[in-house]
Amino acid sequence: KQEVTQIPAALSVPEGENLVLNCSFTDSAIYNLQWFRQDPGKGLTSLLLIQSSQREQTSGRLNASLDKSSGRSTLYIAASQPGDSATYLCAVWWIQGAQKLVFGQGTRLTINP
Amino acid sequence: DVKVTQSSRYLVKRTGEKVFLECVQDMDHENMFWYRQDPGLGLRLIYFSYDVKMKEKGDIPEGYSVSREKKERFSLILESASTNQTSMYLCASTLPGQGGSGYTFGSGTRLTVV
Repeated sequence: KQEVTQIPAALSVPEGENLVLNCSFTDSAIYNLQWFRQDPGKGLTSLLLIQSSQREQTSGRLNASLDKSSGRSTLYIAASQPGDSATYLCAVWWIQGAQKLVFGQGTRLTINP
Repeated sequence: DVKVTQSSRYLVKRTGEKVFLECVQDMDHENMFWYRQDPGLGLRLIYFSYDVKMKEKGDIPEGYSVSREKKERFSLILESASTNQTSMYLCASTLPGQGGSGYTFGSGTRLTVV
């Protein structure tokens, strides 16, 4: 079964720290992997999308890496700020199987001033 | 600015009621999706549609149905609402053939069934 897992479910760190969020997925034959941000009570906003042929993508203080062989992706946030507090979700689109995004459970991140 | 609009942010309904959740997109997207989101379970796909009058079951379709009479509108129907359908419901749309890219989500409808 094609599944996406995110650990931990919640993370709390002081402002200014660099941090890493983890995502793992079964079945390495992915089409792409995407990281989303969700603010409380809101919809999802796409942050970074990595195609299967890519190893990483960067946007500002965010860097997402992809290692298909190990079934892992990480989202690195540099110099964290209170405004980064949100839930971060990882989602995978596989080459084979139902044509849909499969989401992890998300990591709820709190940055303490 | 492109949008996916969900008609209600908050809804409170009684057990047994028939409930309609509406989603409208203005991007001329063929693909539309309904997810529900619950703590610890992430987003789970209920139904999706690749074209007008077309629908496919997702992972958890039981107790739900959908309607897509026009390209821009995708409705989720709870035939007889139950308390275990209390959840956040999210609609999304995308163009075909893009894999996971180009998803645009609505702001969500938080449904409480009492």
